[in-house]
Amino acid sequence: GQQVMQIPQYQHVQEGEDFTTYCNSSTTLSNIQWYKQRPGGHPVFLIQLVKSGEVKKQKRLTFQFGEAKKNSSLHITATQTTDVGTYFCAGQNTGKLIFGQGTTLQVKP
Amino acid sequence: EAQVTQNPRYLITVTGKKLTVTCSQNMNHEYMSWYRQDPGLGLRQIYYSMNVEVTDKGDVPEGYKVSRKEKRNFPLILESPSPNQTSLYFCASSLPGRERGNEQFFGPGTRLTVL
Repeated sequence: GQQVMQIPQYQHVQEGEDFTTYCNSSTTLSNIQWYKQRPGGHPVFLIQLVKSGEVKKQKRLTFQFGEAKKNSSLHITATQTTDVGTYFCAGQNTGKLIFGQGTTLQVKP
Repeated sequence: EAQVTQNPRYLITVTGKKLTVTCSQNMNHEYMSWYRQDPGLGLRQIYYSMNVEVTDKGDVPEGYKVSRKEKRNFPLILESPSPNQTSLYFCASSLPGRERGNEQFFGPGTRLTVL
């Protein structure tokens, strides 16, 4: 069945360093979504990418969707302690939404 | 306030004792879904519903049932819970086609322990 792999599983960075998490799907996706989950909380929607090669920015966060619509990345520039949490990608194909395993980001002040 | 509510938030039960986790949303969303979250496995979709009386299996439907008799409610039923269903469960809803696309609004989660 369809799989979405996300790497790395964990990332520890010093505050001010950059961070990137990558997502790869075994099948072509109609769209990909990104969510952030703070410790003890529930996932919160960040963004959705739909078009091949799409790039979107939200302040220090940059999201990319691959040309083949099978991979995506989230890049955070100059991390802050408020960026701590687990970042999930979620690929959609018809009604199903397949989440990656998530990347847990720790930021040392 | 627009929200997804789940009840109960915490539940400890024993093997074989039927239970229902309720989920309700007040945003008139068509799409609703249940996920379980386990360490190292991320969120896995159990069942989803595109609209009233329309439900479909996600990736891990075994041992679970759902129903969608009303638009706002999407209960998750465990007919005979087993210890491998110990997990954190999230309900989510969305309204496809809006500007933000298929943004999923998640409930606060239900932590279930089956002894």
